[in-house]
This record gives sequence, C-alpha cells and structure tokens, in this order.
Amino acid sequence: DGGITQSPKYLFRKEGQNVTLSCEQNLNHDAMYWYRQDPGQGLRLIYYSQIVNDFQKGDIAEGYSVSREKKESFPLTVTSAQKNPTAFYLCASSMDRRWGGETQYFGPGTRLLVL
Amino acid sequence: KQEVTQIPAALSVPEGENLVLNCSFTDSAIYNLQWFRQDPGKGLTSLLLIQSSQREQTSGRLNASLDKSSGRSTLYIAASQPGDSATYLCAGGGRVTGGGNKLTFGTGTQLKVEL
Repeated sequence: DGGITQSPKYLFRKEGQNVTLSCEQNLNHDAMYWYRQDPGQGLRLIYYSQIVNDFQKGDIAEGYSVSREKKESFPLTVTSAQKNPTAFYLCASSMDRRWGGETQYFGPGTRLLVL
Repeated sequence: KQEVTQIPAALSVPEGENLVLNCSFTDSAIYNLQWFRQDPGKGLTSLLLIQSSQREQTSGRLNASLDKSSGRSTLYIAASQPGDSATYLCAGGGRVTGGGNKLTFGTGTQLKVEL
C-alpha cells in the first residue's frame, strides 16, 4: 500500500520536554510538509522540504525543528520552546514538479496533548 | 499575504439536495486551488485540484470552479448523501522559492447531510 504514515496517533508531552512526531511516505514524493491544525484556525504550515537535506520555515516555525535525511522521512520535533503545542499535527507530501503544482497527500495525523 | 475564507462555517441539508460550498481568496496570483475533505479526527483527503490556467475540474458528483479575477472558488456537490458529511477545506496554492507549492487553508465548511 502506498501512502503516508504518521506515528504515534496520540502523544503526550510533559512541561519542558521535547517530543518527536514521525512521518514516513512511500509515494516517492520529493516534497514533504508539516501543518498544525487548531480548532477554528484551519491548517498552518510549520516547515516544508523540497529535497533531501534541505528544508524551509513555514508560517509558524518557532518552537519546532525538522530534519530530512531520507526522501521517505520528515520527522518533526516539538521543542520546549513551543509554549502552546496542543494541536493536531498533519504531515503531507507531493510530487513537486517545477512546472506545475501538485496535489498534497496527507497522513492520518498525530494529536499532541500537554500533561 | 494570501488569506482564504470559507462561508458558511457549517451547513445542514437534506439528502438528495444539490449544494454549493464557497471559498474566497485575497491574492489573485494564485497558483492552484485545492479542495479537501476531512472526517472527524482524520487527515485530509484530496478531492480536486484546479490549476490557475483552468476554470473547473470534475470528479463524479463533485465539480469545482475557479474564478481568479473575483477571487472565488466553489465546490458543487450533486445529489448529496449522508456519506458526504464531513468538513470541506479549500486551499490556495502559491509557488515558493525552489519550486515548492505552499498551501494557505481556509477554516472549512462543516457539512451535514441528513436522512
């Protein structure tokens, strides 16, 4: 089965703790994205990566970090600097052809809660 | 900065009715416009993507239109069914440095189709 997987489904963070959300895709897509969804605010872009070993900040990158060591994987770390991390986190990927925008395909999401 | 608005926030219709969901955007230099469906607690499922050079796209009972000059897109659902109940999100795509496709999301319309 081709698709995007995210783990865990639920994640609990203690104060001052860093946590890492996993995102893996087997679609052979070049581009990967992380979004945060809060009630009534829609999705907001945290980070995106168009190629291995390269990534850019989105609109709300503060308190987050990412890496892109493999084409298939784009983990997101929520650091202790993120003061309001409770949200639904969605990972997406797309076949990013330079001559045209492509549909983004989304994973099932990870819900992060603060203890 | 692109801003995307969806009205209404919620809509309830009887089964079998044809309906239109509205999406407006502020930056007419949109690269593409995508419609997604989201079921409660789940990720997003892509429905339709309209490139900036296109006026509409169709898939089954769904038809999406794009009018860049007026900053509007509509999603038309024919013969609605209870299984269509979900939140529908539109997103405006903009190109970023290096060829990426950055989506700006609306807050969604929550649709309920009643028996």
